[in-house]
Amino acid sequence: EAGVTQFPSHSVIEKGQTVTLRCDPISGHDNLYWYRRVMGKEIKFLLHFVKESKQDESGMPNNRFLAERTGGTYSTLKVQPAELEDSGVYFCASSLLGSSSYNEQFFGPGTRLTVL
Amino acid sequence: AQKITQTQPGMFVQEKEAVTLDCTYDTSDPSYGLFWYKQPSSGEMIFLIYQGSYDQQNATEGRYSLNFQKARKSANLVISASQLGDSAMYFCAMREAQDSNYQLIWGAGTKLIIKP
Repeated sequence: EAGVTQFPSHSVIEKGQTVTLRCDPISGHDNLYWYRRVMGKEIKFLLHFVKESKQDESGMPNNRFLAERTGGTYSTLKVQPAELEDSGVYFCASSLLGSSSYNEQFFGPGTRLTVL
Repeated sequence: AQKITQTQPGMFVQEKEAVTLDCTYDTSDPSYGLFWYKQPSSGEMIFLIYQGSYDQQNATEGRYSLNFQKARKSANLVISASQLGDSAMYFCAMREAQDSNYQLIWGAGTKLIIKP
């Protein structure tokens, strides 16, 4: 079974440009999460989808970030326009829908974004 | 307030020795889960071990065990007989049951380097 995949693995862009990150969750996983780790800091939650609906986007830094999950399958995270402070590693994770506090999230390899 | 604290930014350990990575947490939710993830240099986030707040026994998974001290709010990861392949970043994370999103709250991580 394929795991969570993310594309691209690395992206280097200039300030002001637009970048779109993609995440393909494990098939059948309704929960999809985006996290971000800025260099040297904690991994921070960005948002959570349940199927195609945004359950919580309280972690999104500002309105330059837009996440979508049309059809409830893959998700995209667009940064427009990118700023220097957006550099970091963006992780996507997916999990089954369930109420147990143990609901393992499976992570993708991350996308390393560098904004110059 | 910091919910997950990992006080060791980096550690050097001799191969074959045991190593303990510290993690303390803060929550008022009586139901929560604690996770440890490993991130090797390749970037993927690998789930290692889970401890539920109501679990009576400390979790173990192969060479990994979790020293769960609920009263002290600590959940240290113990790796026995360390191997060169254990060199990686290690993250402690928590999920609170009262958070319907089940988002993970992360520590800053500990970089573990195993010396031959």
